[in-house]
Amino acid sequence: NAGVMQNPRHLVRRRGQEARLRCSPMKGHSHVYWYRQLPEEGLKFMVYLQKENIIDESGMPKERFSAEFPKEGPSILRIQQVVRGDSAAYFCASSPPMVTDTQYFGPGTRLTVL
Amino acid sequence: LAKTTQPISMDSYEGQEVNITCSHNNIATNDYITWYQQFPSQGPRFIIQGYKTKVTNEVASLFIPADRKSSTLSLPRVSLSDTAVYYCLVGPREEPGTALIFGKGTTLSVSS
Repeated sequence: NAGVMQNPRHLVRRRGQEARLRCSPMKGHSHVYWYRQLPEEGLKFMVYLQKENIIDESGMPKERFSAEFPKEGPSILRIQQVVRGDSAAYFCASSPPMVTDTQYFGPGTRLTVL
Repeated sequence: LAKTTQPISMDSYEGQEVNITCSHNNIATNDYITWYQQFPSQGPRFIIQGYKTKVTNEVASLFIPADRKSSTLSLPRVSLSDTAVYYCLVGPREEPGTALIFGKGTTLSVSS
């Protein structure tokens, strides 16, 4: 059973460009979470999604950031008009559709904004 | 979710037992204690979870006193590959989709 997959692993963008980060959850998992980790910081929750639904986006910046988890395909975290402060590691996690708080994390996407 | 406090860093040598203590004075009745491990350039990995007393698996042991206001992650005979950041999290299990709240964790450095 493959783990959570994220791509790309590294992404370089210039200020003002768009960044698209993809996450494929573990097989059988219907809950997806996105976290951001700034240098020397712990992970910060951004958004929680189920298939075709955003359940909790309380950690998402109000502008430029959006997320989706379509019926088919991976979850996408989209950052429009990136700025240097968006440089961070973005981790996706997934969990099964049952009572548990154990989340399984992917390897992350390291975004660098030049 | 209960706030947690743990040491910023710890140093150890190969072969020693390492105990990392986490304080969670405001833990709620339905909260569980979970520890994650994060290696550089990787996502966090679940290590162990417990509610009370002692839990042991192939990786670590978790000791939780009766008042549950603290917990101790015990790593037996660490090796260089145990160098990582260890996070203590406290929260309920009854709510799928609960966002995990990570602090800065404890950076464990193991030397030879």
